[in-house]
Amino acid sequence: DSGVVQSPRHIIKEKGGRSVLTCIPISGHSNVVWYQQTLGKELKFLIQHYEKVERDKGFLPSRFSVQQFDDYHSEMNMSALELEDSAMYFCASSSGFSDYTFGSGTRLLVI
Amino acid sequence: QQKVQQSPESLIVPEGGMASLNCTSSDRNVDYFWWYRQHSGKSPKMLMSIFSNGEKEEGRFTVHLNKASLHTSLHIRDSQPSDSALYLCAARANSAGNKLTFGIGTRVLVRP
Repeated sequence: DSGVVQSPRHIIKEKGGRSVLTCIPISGHSNVVWYQQTLGKELKFLIQHYEKVERDKGFLPSRFSVQQFDDYHSEMNMSALELEDSAMYFCASSSGFSDYTFGSGTRLLVI
Repeated sequence: QQKVQQSPESLIVPEGGMASLNCTSSDRNVDYFWWYRQHSGKSPKMLMSIFSNGEKEEGRFTVHLNKASLHTSLHIRDSQPSDSALYLCAARANSAGNKLTFGIGTRVLVRP
C-alpha cells in the first residue's frame, strides 16, 4: 500500500495518560498536516509541517506536540489526555501545494 | 478565522437522481476549493478541485466555481447508492500555505 499510513488504528487511554500517533506520508511527500474530527463537527486543522519545519499551527492543544523527521514521517505526542480529546485523528500528505491524500486515521478514546 | 459554510446539512436523493451541494467561504483570500467524499468510518477521499471560474466535469461529478461570490457547488448526476456519504468542502487561502479549512459537510443518502 503506497498510501498514507497511520498507526495505531484504534487506541484507548485513561484520562491524564499519554499517547503517540504516527503518520507515514506517501513517498516523496514532505508536506504533512494533522486534523481532528469529532462526530458532527468539521475537520479541525491542528498543525502543518513542510520539509520538517512547522508551517502553521491551528487548534493543537499545548498538551500535544508534533514533530516531522528526516524521512518526513510525523509523530504526534499527546499528554495529559482529556475526555474531549476523544476523536478521529487524520494526517494527510501532499507534495508541495498539490492535493492532499488522507490516511485511514487513528481513533482515540479517552476514558 | 476563515469559515466554510456548506448546505444543505443533509440530502436524500433517489437512485438515478441529481444531488446538488453548496459551499461558500467567508475569506476573500481563498483561491482554491476541494471536494472530498467520506464514507462512514473511512477517511476523506478527494473527488475534485477547482480554482478557475466556471465548471469542471469528471464522470458523473460536476463542480462549479464563482470566485466573485466565493461559492462552489458539486453536482452528482445519476446518483448511486455507493454515493451515500459525507461530502466535505475545503478551501485554501492564498495566504495560508497549503492549509485547508473544511466545512462541516453535507450528508447524502441515495435511496434505491
